[in-house]
Amino acid sequence: DTAVSQTPKYLVTQMGNDKSIKCEQNLGHDTMYWYKQDSKKFLKIMFSYNNKELIINETVPNRFSPKSPDKAHLNLHINSLELGDSAVYFCASSATSLPATGELFFGEGSRLTVL
Amino acid sequence: SQKIEQNSEALNIQEGKTATLTCNYTNYSPAYLQWYRQDPGRGPVFLLLIRENEKEKRKERLKVTFDTTLKQSLFHITASQPADSATYLCALDSGGANNLFFGTGTRLTVIP
Repeated sequence: DTAVSQTPKYLVTQMGNDKSIKCEQNLGHDTMYWYKQDSKKFLKIMFSYNNKELIINETVPNRFSPKSPDKAHLNLHINSLELGDSAVYFCASSATSLPATGELFFGEGSRLTVL
Repeated sequence: SQKIEQNSEALNIQEGKTATLTCNYTNYSPAYLQWYRQDPGRGPVFLLLIRENEKEKRKERLKVTFDTTLKQSLFHITASQPADSATYLCALDSGGANNLFFGTGTRLTVIP
């Protein structure tokens, strides 16, 4: 069974559209994350979320919004897509809200291409 | 500004040699540092975690050191194999926060 799964794996869309990427983890973790990896392979945190707190990286445009229907899911919604949003988006989870106690488990990534 | 820099974008070494990757950081006070491996088209996979009060950590052919005075971590792979070829990422916390920040990555190629 896949620990952290993301769908879709590939997403091609036009500028201005709204899209969502779904993420589910079956590890029983209570904290989930979204990271963006750009064309230079730099991995940058966007959000971290547990059942108590959402922490938003201040550089993330408000067109991006995480939505968590329950502890095992953290979806990423993107409104009014721009060319610069093209990247690979990774979902991750950890056992606690303090990663010092353990590692992050990553999904396989969702490659978003905005035309 | 805060930076996490890894010594080189790409590193080529001969099979059997020891690969040494460097992670330097500025304007962070991490409580710990982690190393991940990322293969093309895949998500990063955790390798090792070292805390600020630990000087060295080992796991099989991997060794990590952490020098908070130099603000540097070294990642060693001994007896390297072609299967070790991948991108290696260091990551650290921002001191008290619950987020992990990643370095720029080093793409290692082990030549048979």
